[in-house]
Amino acid sequence: SQQGEEDPQALSIQEGENATMNCSYKTSINNLQWYRQNSGRGLVHLILIRSNEREKHSGRLRVTLDTSKKSSSLLITASRAADTASYFCATASNNAGNMLTFGGGTRLMVKP
Amino acid sequence: DTAVSQTPKYLVTQMGNDKSIKCEQNLGHDTMYWYKQDSKKFLKIMFSYNNKELIINETVPNRFSPKSPDKAHLNLHINSLELGDSAVYFCASSQDHARTAFFGQGTRLTVV
Repeated sequence: SQQGEEDPQALSIQEGENATMNCSYKTSINNLQWYRQNSGRGLVHLILIRSNEREKHSGRLRVTLDTSKKSSSLLITASRAADTASYFCATASNNAGNMLTFGGGTRLMVKP
Repeated sequence: DTAVSQTPKYLVTQMGNDKSIKCEQNLGHDTMYWYKQDSKKFLKIMFSYNNKELIINETVPNRFSPKSPDKAHLNLHINSLELGDSAVYFCASSQDHARTAFFGQGTRLTVV
């Protein structure tokens, strides 16, 4: 089963609105990362949050981590049409030789 | 100036054939990976490799084998291709496990 599972699977919003995506995982982690994938392209790293951190910001991105609930959220504020993409969370866990394990992704569509 | 490059971008081949996908990274990273992304966009780690160890996802058939001529290259060989091998294969690299991964653009493999 997937270590990281994103929720919702698909999200459609209007430009200017905020988009929130959630990720849940099962085992203890060293860090959690969010990636973005445009259609037909490779994944691009967005942000990394360590297991001892609770919140991190990068531009219009805000990531939270709750290790007690084994969950993370990615908030994109003031969304733009160019934010349309799939967003994946990935966990780095000692249980998996510290390799990144990805969830199924959230497909975000931002309508202009 | 591509950081992680893989070739070919598209590969169409018949069942039973043997094929290879090449990957090169110019980031000086120690660890390289192969991921498989299926039609539902799930990303599954196939291999993780650095100079010291090869970690194989136990669910990967032994028809798949990574070959690393040097630290900057990790090629993927697939023997006796099957219809179910059709997917997008991504190469990635990172400085070490649990760090940010840099992805190639992907190779879309179609087995007919």
